[in-house]
Amino acid sequence: SQQGEEDPQALSIQEGENATMNCSYKTSINNLQWYRQNSGRGLVHLILIRSNEREKHSGRLRVTLDTSKKSSSLLITASRAADTASYFCATDGRYSTLTFGKGTMLLVSP
Amino acid sequence: EAGVTQSPTHLIKTRGQQATLRCSPISGHTSVYWYQQALGLGLQFLLWYDEGEERNRGNFPPRFSGRQFPNYSSELNVNALELEDSALYLCASSRRGTGYEKLFFGSGTQLSVL
Repeated sequence: SQQGEEDPQALSIQEGENATMNCSYKTSINNLQWYRQNSGRGLVHLILIRSNEREKHSGRLRVTLDTSKKSSSLLITASRAADTASYFCATDGRYSTLTFGKGTMLLVSP
Repeated sequence: EAGVTQSPTHLIKTRGQQATLRCSPISGHTSVYWYQQALGLGLQFLLWYDEGEERNRGNFPPRFSGRQFPNYSSELNVNALELEDSALYLCASSRRGTGYEKLFFGSGTQLSVL
C-alpha cells in the first residue's frame, strides 16, 4: 500500500500561475521528499524536508510539512510549460527505503 | 559523472517467458533499488540490494528476483511473466546508508508482456 497520497491527481494551469500539490501520509517519518518525473522516465529528486522542519525553499519550490496532520504541500511559483510533469512525494518508512505516492500530474499550458 | 543506466530501454515478451533487466548505479553508490511503476499504481518497491546482499523486498511474488554483482550493478529477473507485469521498471541507487535521503533514478525499462 502507498504511504503517501498526493492530491489532486491532476492539475492544469496556465504559465505564470502557481501550482500547489498536497501529500498525506500515514505513519511517522524522519523526512519527506518530492520527486519529479517527465513523461514516464526516471524520477528526479527535487527537495527534502526533515520532520523537525516546517518549511523549505529551493528556487521556485516551496515545501511545507505539518507532522501533526501528517501532510505536506509543494508549491511551484510562476509555473512554466517546462514544469509539466508528474510530481511524487516520498517518505521513509516500510522496507527501509522510500515509499512513493501515486503522484500528481501537472500540466502547464503556454 | 554518469548517472544510473538501465538496459534495455524497451522489452517485449510473451506470457510465461522470463525477462532480465539490468542496472548500473552511479559510481561510488553501493545500494540499488528496484521499483515497479504500473499504470495508475504509482511506484511500488520491489527489491533493495546493498554490498551484494538482498536487504529487503516488497510485496511481490518470488518469481521477481535479482542479484547484485561485485561491481554493484544489478539484475532484476521476472520469471513466468504475466500480463499484469507490464510496467515501467525503475532502478535507483544511493550511497550506502543514504537510501532515506535521496535516490538517483535511471530512465527505466518499459516491459510489455503480450
